[in-house]
Amino acid sequence: QQQVKQSPQSLIVQKGGISIINCAYENTAFDYFPWYQQFPGKGPALLIAIRPDVSEKKEGRFTISFNKSAKQFSLHIMDSQPGDSATYFCAAQDKAAGNKLTFGGGTRVLVKP
Amino acid sequence: SQTIHQWPATLVQPVGSPLSLECTVEGTSNPNLYWYRQAAGRGLQLLFYSVGIGQISSEVPQNLSASRPQDRQFILSSKKLLLSDSGFYLCAWNRGGYEQYFGPGTRLTVT
Repeated sequence: QQQVKQSPQSLIVQKGGISIINCAYENTAFDYFPWYQQFPGKGPALLIAIRPDVSEKKEGRFTISFNKSAKQFSLHIMDSQPGDSATYFCAAQDKAAGNKLTFGGGTRVLVKP
Repeated sequence: SQTIHQWPATLVQPVGSPLSLECTVEGTSNPNLYWYRQAAGRGLQLLFYSVGIGQISSEVPQNLSASRPQDRQFILSSKKLLLSDSGFYLCAWNRGGYEQYFGPGTRLTVT
């Protein structure tokens, strides 16, 4: 059972544009929602994360928007740069269940110069 | 600062051969440890996690097993590899808070 659904699977954006990735979850026990960035052949790196008591979090060009009632959250990458080209994963974590992460399927982002 | 190591970085093994992948964490104590597998072009699947020495929880029934012989060491094993065991294996750690950090991964190809 896929508990975190991520879309789109891939997207292409021009340099300077906005990349938007969406995720939806089912389990209301999730209490932490991180985003990871992964480059080919590397392990995922924690990018930004949000708790469900906050509706938005911004760190530099990366912003998470969180809608608890809809059980949805999204990542916005502002002023996208070619170096942002990577695969992005959303995840949801249940601290009461050993901090296990449930991942979305990933979005491959390509930023064209 | 904390560092997580995985080895080997790449591995090519024949079907039916045994497997041992190792993960160690430096700079912390009593971490939660996790093994994930990532198939090509796919998301990450949690395989095992451990909250302490000798404590292993399995998430997916499969051809693999895990052990935690020391506080900061996590080992993924198999007695006989299958073709379907090919993938990118990632170890991660967490120190009781929320943030979970991944190692560099091991690329396993079963031929």
